[in-house]
Amino acid sequence: DAKTTQPPSMDCAEGRAANLPCNHSTISGNEYVYWYRQIHSQGPQYIIHGLKNNETNEMASLIITEDRKSSTLILPHATLRDTAVYYCIVGALEYGNKLVFGAGTILRVKS
Amino acid sequence: SAVISQKPSRDICQRGTSLTIQCQVDSQVTMMFWYRQQPGQSLTLIATANQGSEATYESGFVIDKFPISRPNLTFSTLTVSNMSPEDSSIYLCSVEGVSWSGYGYTFGSGTRLTVV
Repeated sequence: DAKTTQPPSMDCAEGRAANLPCNHSTISGNEYVYWYRQIHSQGPQYIIHGLKNNETNEMASLIITEDRKSSTLILPHATLRDTAVYYCIVGALEYGNKLVFGAGTILRVKS
Repeated sequence: SAVISQKPSRDICQRGTSLTIQCQVDSQVTMMFWYRQQPGQSLTLIATANQGSEATYESGFVIDKFPISRPNLTFSTLTVSNMSPEDSSIYLCSVEGVSWSGYGYTFGSGTRLTVV
C-alpha cells in the first residue's frame, strides 16, 4: 500500500503558486520523498525529490517538515499545462526499491 | 535521462488473444518495471524485470498471465495473455536512472489496450 496521503483534488489560478500537500507519517530514515506528475495520456514525469532539506529545481520546490512527516510541492507560477495528477511517493529508490503509487492529487489550473 | 520507446502505443484486441508490448531503452539499465493503469485509476506495479533473472511479480499478478522477457540491458517485453475486457488498461514500462535534476525513474508513454 502507498505510504502517503494526498488530497484528491485541488484548484489553482493560473499564474499563482500551487501548493500540494502530502502526509507521510510513517516515512523511514533512509526514504526519500519523490514527486511525479502525470499529464493526461502520458507516462508519469519525475519532478523533484528530497530527503531532509528543502529542494528546488527548474520545475518546482519541495518543502519537507523538520520531522519529515509531511511535505509540500510548490509550483511557483502555475500554468494551464501544469494541470495533471501529482503523486507523492516515499521510498529508497537508490537501493532499487520500487515506486508505489497512491491515488495522487488532481491539480486543475484555471485561467 | 533515459529515453524509452514503447510499442505499440495503442491496440484493440479480441478477447482470448495475446498482445506483446515492447519497451526499448536508449541506454543500459539494470532494472525495468512494468505497470498497469486501469481506467481512472493510479498505477499498479505488475513486475520488476532484471536482466539475466526471472521477473519478480507483485501480489495479484502471475507469470502465466503476464509473461515478461528481459533478453538484454536495453529491452523488455510484457505479454498480456488470454485477454479479457478486464485487461483493458494502459501498460507502462519504467526504468531506473538519473534524470536531469536528480535520481528518478523514467516512464514510457504507455500502451493503451482495449479488449473487446
